[in-house]
Amino acid sequence: GAVVSQHPSRVICKSGTSVKIECRSLDFQATTMFWYRQFPKQSLMLMATSNEGSKATYEQGVEKDKFLINHASLTLSTLTVTSAHPEDSSFYICSASPELGLAGAETQYFGPGTRLLVL
Amino acid sequence: LAKTTQPISMDSYEGQEVNITCSHNNIATNDYITWYQQFPSQGPRFIIQGYKTKVTNEVASLFIPADRKSSTLSLPRVSLSDTAVYYCLVGAPYNFNKFYFGSGTKLNVKP
Repeated sequence: GAVVSQHPSRVICKSGTSVKIECRSLDFQATTMFWYRQFPKQSLMLMATSNEGSKATYEQGVEKDKFLINHASLTLSTLTVTSAHPEDSSFYICSASPELGLAGAETQYFGPGTRLLVL
Repeated sequence: LAKTTQPISMDSYEGQEVNITCSHNNIATNDYITWYQQFPSQGPRFIIQGYKTKVTNEVASLFIPADRKSSTLSLPRVSLSDTAVYYCLVGAPYNFNKFYFGSGTKLNVKP
């Protein structure tokens, strides 16, 4: 149980275009999901907290207008990188936790990640 | 800001037991300790979680002293496939606590 998927697994796009990444909790509902970014040989950096039915909460230094987050349902959050530039190339990872009271609610489960390359 | 401190890297040989210690001096009463494993180009994978004393599952053991200011992940008889980065995180369950990752420990298992 507690499986999180991401789509696509990798994407290559031209500079200036927008890219959408989906994060789904496959076997549980999650009112809160998290988005991370990881550069090569570095640790994960928390970007934002995605809240179902409300606005996302962004970490300091993360541009909310550039990284649009939509948590449309209890099993789906999307991250859209708008007007992507080469410096946005990175590994994007989402995570989620089952609802309070359900098995696995005590920790976060991570998706497999999405590799973004902006040319 | 990461709440934990770990060694940057460790080396081991196949078949040995590996112990990775994490320092979390400012752990809060409600915080649990969770360890993740990450392979290159993959998302972190849950290994084990505990609150106090000792926890054991099919892949690892977690030792937590009474003051909870540190914890040790123990991997029995490692193999080459255990080469990965291991992260220690602290946070409160049931509160969707944000996880701020530290540098993690790069474990290199040699033949």
